[in-house]
Amino acid sequence: EADIYQTPRYLVIGTGKKITLECSQTMGHDKMYWYQQDPGMELHLIHYSYGVNSTEKGDLSSESTVSRIRTEHFPLTLESARPSHTSQYLCASSELGGSQPQHFGDGTRLSIL
Amino acid sequence: ILNVEQSPQSLHVQEGDSTNFTCSFPSSNFYALHWYRWETAKSPEALFVMTLNGDEKKKGRISATLNTKEGYSYLYIKGSQPEDSATYLCASLNEKLTFGTGTRLTIIP
Repeated sequence: EADIYQTPRYLVIGTGKKITLECSQTMGHDKMYWYQQDPGMELHLIHYSYGVNSTEKGDLSSESTVSRIRTEHFPLTLESARPSHTSQYLCASSELGGSQPQHFGDGTRLSIL
Repeated sequence: ILNVEQSPQSLHVQEGDSTNFTCSFPSSNFYALHWYRWETAKSPEALFVMTLNGDEKKKGRISATLNTKEGYSYLYIKGSQPEDSATYLCASLNEKLTFGTGTRLTIIP
């Protein structure tokens, strides 16, 4: 049973639209992450957060933005979607510390027409 | 090794056979090695996190070893079952957590 939830699972939308991908976790984890994955490629970290009001950019440059107003909620926003944003987006959370496993959501598969 | 590399990329194994695959990672500034199982249409699930050279961890029929000096980890599956079919991801924490592209395992009934 998932303790980290992503919505929507699938989204097909036109160019230029503003999109928000939702991610919520009920485990009280401080650290949260957003990954982007293209087919056959590795997961790339695009954003992470150490806790409320903390947001950091990841390794892969992304035009998206994130916010962390509440511990359990870490939404990702694209102000103006483009076809190059078509990808799978995975949210994860963990306790602080590199030896803590990450707990992943089911992902959002985004297609921009 | 500058990146995290997994081999083979894909693998077909007969049900009941045992198998193993490899994760190679940078040995400098190493902190932790993560293994995840990712079944189709589901979310990645953590299997192991290992930090010490020589670590061995086991979860049912799946086990993993870690060699931090030479920068590799093996994942072993004993007596493969159809439910083991998944992509197995490793990730190395050095200055940052870097994922490999995974080994896609298919168990043939």
